Amino acid sequence: KNQVEQSPQSLIILEGKNCTLQCNYTVSPFSNLRWYKQDTGRGPVSLTIMTFSENTKSNGRYTATLDADTKQSSLHITASQLSDSASYICVVSVGVDSSYKLIFGSGTRLLVRP
Amino acid sequence: DAGVIQSPRHEVTEMGQEVTLRCKPISGHDYLFWYRQTMMRGLELLIYFNNNVPIDDSGMPEDRFSAKMPNASFSTLKIQPSEPRDSAVYFCASKRLDDGEQFFGPGTRLTVL
Repeated sequence: KNQVEQSPQSLIILEGKNCTLQCNYTVSPFSNLRWYKQDTGRGPVSLTIMTFSENTKSNGRYTATLDADTKQSSLHITASQLSDSASYICVVSVGVDSSYKLIFGSGTRLLVRP
Repeated sequence: DAGVIQSPRHEVTEMGQEVTLRCKPISGHDYLFWYRQTMMRGLELLIYFNNNVPIDDSGMPEDRFSAKMPNASFSTLKIQPSEPRDSAVYFCASKRLDDGEQFFGPGTRLTVL
C-alpha cells in the first residue's frame, strides 16, 4: 500500500532556531518527492521537488534531503522565522508518467514562537 | 497570472442542500484536480481532468458528488444532497502537461450543519 508518514505531527520552536521534519514513504514506483508549505487558510505551495537521483535540494533557508535506499526524506529549516509557522506536507508521486497521482502525508504543524 | 481561483471561499449550508464549488484553473494548464482536506484524512484526490475530460474519479466518495469541466477555464464540484460529514476544505489545483508541479487554489471551506 502506498503510504507517506510524517513526523513529528507538531513542533514548537523558538524564532532563530533550526528544525528538521521527517518523511518516510512506501511508494512504488517512485517518481519524485515534494515538500509543500501550507499556511493557515491557504492552499499548499511547493518548496522543493526531488527525483530519485537527487540527494539534496535547497530553497533559501529550506533544505530537503532524500535517501532513496531507506525511502526517507527530511526538510531542514535554518534560522526559523515567525513566517515559517505553517503545515509542511511531504508528497510523493507514484508512477513514471503519472505525476498527477500524489500520495500526501498528514503533515507537520510547525509553530515558531518569538 | 492570478493563480487558481476558487469560489466561494467559505460556504455554510444545511444538511440536504445542494452545494456548488467553483474553480478557474491557471490559463494554459491542461490538468485540473479537485481535492478534499480534513484533519482526520489530510488531502485526498477526488477527481482530475485532462483537457476538460474526467480521467480518474475513483476518489469521489459517493454518488452525491459530481464534477464537471465544461471548458478549459472553469470547473464545478457539486454535492447533492450535502451531509455534515462533507464538511472540509476543498482545493482545486491545475498543472501543465509538461510540468509535474500542481498549483493549488486558496480552497473553499465548506461547513454543513
